[in-house]
Formats: sequence, structure tokens, C-alpha cells
Amino acid sequence: GIQVEQSPPDLILQEGANSTLRCNFSDSVNNLQWFHQNPWGQLINLFYIPSGTKQNGRLSATTVATERYSLLYISSSQTTDSGVYFCAVGSGNTPLVFGKGTRLSVIA
Amino acid sequence: SQTIHQWPATLVQPVGSPLSLECTVEGTSNPNLYWYRQAAGRGLQLLFYSVGIGQISSEVPQNLSASRPQDRQFILSSKKLLLSDSGFYLCAWSLTLYGYTFGSGTRLTVV
Repeated sequence: GIQVEQSPPDLILQEGANSTLRCNFSDSVNNLQWFHQNPWGQLINLFYIPSGTKQNGRLSATTVATERYSLLYISSSQTTDSGVYFCAVGSGNTPLVFGKGTRLSVIA
Repeated sequence: SQTIHQWPATLVQPVGSPLSLECTVEGTSNPNLYWYRQAAGRGLQLLFYSVGIGQISSEVPQNLSASRPQDRQFILSSKKLLLSDSGFYLCAWSLTLYGYTFGSGTRLTVV
């Protein structure tokens, strides 16, 4: 099956700093999503981005499908950005396969 | 609007006891339904998914089973819990490829 690798596994930032999270995947996909899991466990969908670039406020994401990677950018980080960020991919109509996540801690 | 309900929020069960976790979706018809498990606070592992009533696909051979008795109801069960069944169980639904919505999860501790 498809393998998903995320880096870095852990990241500590000072409030206001920028960061880039990476997701590599092993096969062609037609579905790629980024999720944020807050400290209480709730998973929120951030982007559906199988290719191209999208932006939503301080967050943006880029997927280069031909090179099998996606990047999530967080600018001017805030303490509320803390949590775990997951990349998940799928092909055809198969369920999403999740990476192990990047745990982000933003310090005031 | 569509909502997903998952309960209970937390559960502590002794080894060997049965388990039943329920997930229901409101405001949509014929959703795809999923059970994921998250162990040790990291990656999500797909356990079961269903594309229709009575249709269950199992991804990981284990001590658990799933059922979909109604269109918008998905149940995760076990006859006898093991210590290794502890974890955070998440239910999700989707209608399309990109519309995954997760419930708030059940934190299960087997003692």
C-alpha cells in the first residue's frame, strides 16, 4: 500500500515564527488532505490538495504530485496552532492513509 | 448541516470485557463511514470502512469487528478486549473523496 512519511516529527516554534511541514508519499494519489489535531484530539480538515497550491489565512499548502510530496506552510505562528498536523493520501476510492504526523508546539 | 456523533468520549474497561462504540451521522444519506484508531498519540490506522448498509471492509486482522445496521450508523465491537486494544478511536464520514469529517473520538483504556 501507499506509504506516507512526514517530517519533521516534532517542531518547537516561538510565537510569530514561520514553519514548513513536509509530506512524502510513495505512489500516485488523487486525494491528499492536511488535518490539524488539537490537544483535545479533534481532527479538523485544513486542505484538500491533490495538486497545486491553496491558501487559507496564515496557512497554505502546495502539492507537487509528479514528485510525490506536499508542503504545509504556517506563517506568523500562534499558540493556537499547536497540535499534530497530519498528511493523508488516497488513490481511486480507497480510504485515506495517514502519516505519523508532525507535532507542533508554539511557545509564547 | 451534517453532524457526526460519537460516544462515549472516554471508556475504561477491564481485559476480557465486551466493547461497543457507536457513531451516527446526521444530515446526509449513504455516507462512506470509517473507523480509525490512534495509538500512543500519533498516526491513525484504518480499522474498517463501509460504503453502504451491511458492507464492511476490514483493513487489519484483529480483535475487533464493525457493523452498519442502518445507513448512518456505524458500530465498533469486541467480544473480549485485550490490553492492546487501548487507544483513541475515531469515526469519520465522507460523501466525496475530499470531504472527510471526524467525530470527537473515544479514548479507550483497557485495564
